[in-house]
Amino acid sequence: GESVGLHLPTLSVQEGDNSIINCAYSNSASDYFIWYKQESGKGPQFIIDIRSNMDKRQGQRVTVLLNKTVKHLSLQIAATQPGDSAVYFCAEIGLDTGFQKLVFGTGTRLLVSP
Amino acid sequence: GAGVSQSPRYKVAKRGQDVALRCDPISGHVSLFWYQQALGQGPEFLTYFQNEAQLDKSGLPSDRFFAERPEGSVSTLKIQRTQQEDSAVYLCASSLSPDTQYFGPGTRLTVL
Repeated sequence: GESVGLHLPTLSVQEGDNSIINCAYSNSASDYFIWYKQESGKGPQFIIDIRSNMDKRQGQRVTVLLNKTVKHLSLQIAATQPGDSAVYFCAEIGLDTGFQKLVFGTGTRLLVSP
Repeated sequence: GAGVSQSPRYKVAKRGQDVALRCDPISGHVSLFWYQQALGQGPEFLTYFQNEAQLDKSGLPSDRFFAERPEGSVSTLKIQRTQQEDSAVYLCASSLSPDTQYFGPGTRLTVL
């Protein structure tokens, strides 16, 4: 079936660096793309989302870029902090699933060294 | 409460036992979702409720899995005759809009 996936399973950065986490998706019918952060022992936490008719969306220290031509999604974290260390998932949701189910990728672990 | 709560947080079951996992959604959230997360993987959809109606159960792995939400609030995921492959974290989420689902901490089920 359709799925989203990630290029890099682990990303190690130094505190203060900018981080970029990438995601490839295959479902052209997706309407929303969402980034979640999951810390150990916790459930996924919503970070930011972007609609399929947008190319870029900014939040606090985070930016999501969507390239529909190559079906690529990225999450940029500015001035990465140790508290950003977690597993990051991209997920998609669309009309084809009745906006009911999130389809997640396998995740990228972000390790931030002080 | 301020967020989605789940209980128990950890459950160890012997193969063949039945288990029941509870989810308390955010008050007022109409939609409730169950996901299964295997170690090192992203969550996978199991089932979805809108109020008390179970509108989609296409993700339930087998007929040993059963979910209910009788009064449109608290939900229970029941697994009968547990198998080792059922070992995973079971996540519950609630929402007012599908693109913003709020997740609970999950229940880690280990089947021995």
